[in-house]
Amino acid sequence: DVKVTQSSRYLVKRTGEKVFLECVQDMDHENMFWYRQDPGLGLRLIYFSYDVKMKEKGDIPEGYSVSREKKERFSLILESASTNQTSMYLCASSGTWNQPQHFGDGTRLSIL
Amino acid sequence: QKEVEQNSGPLSVPEGAIASLNCTYSDRGSQSFFWYRQYSGKSPELIMFIYSNGDKEDGRFTAQLNKASQYVSLLIRDSQPSDSATYLCAVNPSGTYKYIFGTGTRLKVLA
Repeated sequence: DVKVTQSSRYLVKRTGEKVFLECVQDMDHENMFWYRQDPGLGLRLIYFSYDVKMKEKGDIPEGYSVSREKKERFSLILESASTNQTSMYLCASSGTWNQPQHFGDGTRLSIL
Repeated sequence: QKEVEQNSGPLSVPEGAIASLNCTYSDRGSQSFFWYRQYSGKSPELIMFIYSNGDKEDGRFTAQLNKASQYVSLLIRDSQPSDSATYLCAVNPSGTYKYIFGTGTRLKVLA
């Protein structure tokens, strides 16, 4: 069974802080993804990575960066948190490009 | 802009009935199609995936794909109140690692 683990279920931070969200998968998957999900807007892709140290921007990368130093770990970084980054953040991983993505439990992030 | 469209619902069906959820997509070259179930406050959970035209069955779930008409559907037989959730359709357009997600259809199964 695929296991994608996100470091926190709930997180509260203050504006201007640097925030790190961590994601680890145990299936040796090539691809990893970060999404945010907001009511009425659906899932929006922030960044994805198809290999170690490789990353590509998704649809809404502004204000975010990512790091993938090891195959199993993909980190999302909010460089200077703002209130409009309050959201549910979801990490996912998949094997080859056309295989299903499997999601972690999500991190509900509040920026005050 | 590649798009995936779903009716937001809610779709209400009585317990024991068949629920039919539909999804259309714009990229004719799309290769892979996925259905996820998402309970309120939880993350999406994969239910089905389909790559070829026709039907694919797994227990009470059937995915149907028609590439010529650019739609994919999910049928849930013998619907249960526990099936009440939002169902997300996702499409993998040709030549990309990315999925395009629909905004989901909310299903309510009435006991």
